[in-house]
Amino acid sequence: GQNIDQPTEMTATEGAIVQINCTYQTSGFNGLFWYQQHAGEAPTFLSYNVLDGLEEKGRFSSFLSRSKGYSYLLLKELQMKDSASYLCAVNMDSNYQLIWGAGTKLIIKP
Amino acid sequence: ETGVTQTPRHLVMGMTNKKSLKCEQHLGHNAMYWYKQSAKKPLELMFVYSLEERVENNSVPSRFSPECPNSSHLFLHLHTLQPEDSALYLCASSQDLTGQTQYFGPGTRLTVL
Repeated sequence: GQNIDQPTEMTATEGAIVQINCTYQTSGFNGLFWYQQHAGEAPTFLSYNVLDGLEEKGRFSSFLSRSKGYSYLLLKELQMKDSASYLCAVNMDSNYQLIWGAGTKLIIKP
Repeated sequence: ETGVTQTPRHLVMGMTNKKSLKCEQHLGHNAMYWYKQSAKKPLELMFVYSLEERVENNSVPSRFSPECPNSSHLFLHLHTLQPEDSALYLCASSQDLTGQTQYFGPGTRLTVL
């Protein structure tokens, strides 16, 4: 079956760096998405990786290794507003179907 | 107007009520989606529309009935729901069905008593 694993919850300190991991086992792969979702709000698109390597976008970076079925989202210089859930989703075969992880709730402490 | 809007934001209904959720996208997209989000569970895809035609119905109970009158609007009609249907219902849109990024609305928090 198709499966995505993420840690349920993580805690980090304001100003620090945190890495949120996502591992996947899917029958196909055509890209991996990261979304951020604040409590009671819409999931918002953060990044898309389809090739191996690191994509940097300001304080946020996303890494993909297709051979290992592994991705991570790296958040630098953490701010209190980064407290949210982070969702990982895999597109298997160039259509609309996404396999979603259950999300990682990130708690930032002062 | 922001990209994808949903109304109402919160809804409490009894099991015998009929209500409707509304979604509107202002992005010029051709595909729209309904998802169910329950606590600590992955998003569950319920329905997909492309150019007002339904292309996916993921074994969703008939008490949920979607409607897509045009490419900008999507409705979810609710009838005789169960308490286990309480969840956050998210609408999303994408340019088309080829794996493009999906953009989400803020959701309707539904509570069924």
